[in-house]
Amino acid sequence: RKEVEQDPGPFNVPEGATVAFNCTYSNSASQSFFWYRQDCRKEPKLLMSVYSSGNEDGRFTAQLNRASQYISLLIRDSKLSDSATYLCVVDSVSGTYKYIFGTGTRLKVLA
Amino acid sequence: EAGVAQSPRYKIIEKRQSVAFWCNPISGHATLYWYQQILGQGPKLLIQFQNNGVVDDSQLPKDRFSAERLKGVDSTLKIQPAKLEDSAVYLCASSLALTGDEAFFGQGTRLTVV
Repeated sequence: RKEVEQDPGPFNVPEGATVAFNCTYSNSASQSFFWYRQDCRKEPKLLMSVYSSGNEDGRFTAQLNRASQYISLLIRDSKLSDSATYLCVVDSVSGTYKYIFGTGTRLKVLA
Repeated sequence: EAGVAQSPRYKIIEKRQSVAFWCNPISGHATLYWYQQILGQGPKLLIQFQNNGVVDDSQLPKDRFSAERLKGVDSTLKIQPAKLEDSAVYLCASSLALTGDEAFFGQGTRLTVV
């Protein structure tokens, strides 16, 4: 099983739709979780951290489910500008501490 | 605040040639990462430094890749000799501390090996 798994998509949704992505992780000892956004041919940028109590920033909501070992990202009222790849990042605490990236989920918001 | 600086932005080399990438992290960031991102995949960690010491290089192909971070600031990543499968974007990132902090990325170096 991969350490971090995401559905690569693409998710094609109309403007205004609500879309959700999940990301599963294998290490139950992981403590830090993030969603990064990566635009085409650009570097990844932090979208939001994911806390145990969840995290909301405007139209974006991130949740952590420790029991089932997954994090989720919900985007409400999708905009054309939300089109990007969303990368799930989980820390690995086996051996040395490091961040593991998922392959990313590609989102296309259609007019 | 200045971001992570990388150079060059693009590089095209022939297989078996050598290439070097440079990274200057955000001032004060102790942790520096080099990632390899192949088209359609997520970034894969190659090497991680804490100040000038290597924390993790378990996925660095040491027969051809090397990296250093002298004085705990700038870092260089070298490939010698390059293979076709090394074509990728090489991303440098830095974070303030080793655990739990956001990693900030540079714009990357797009390497094409022909």
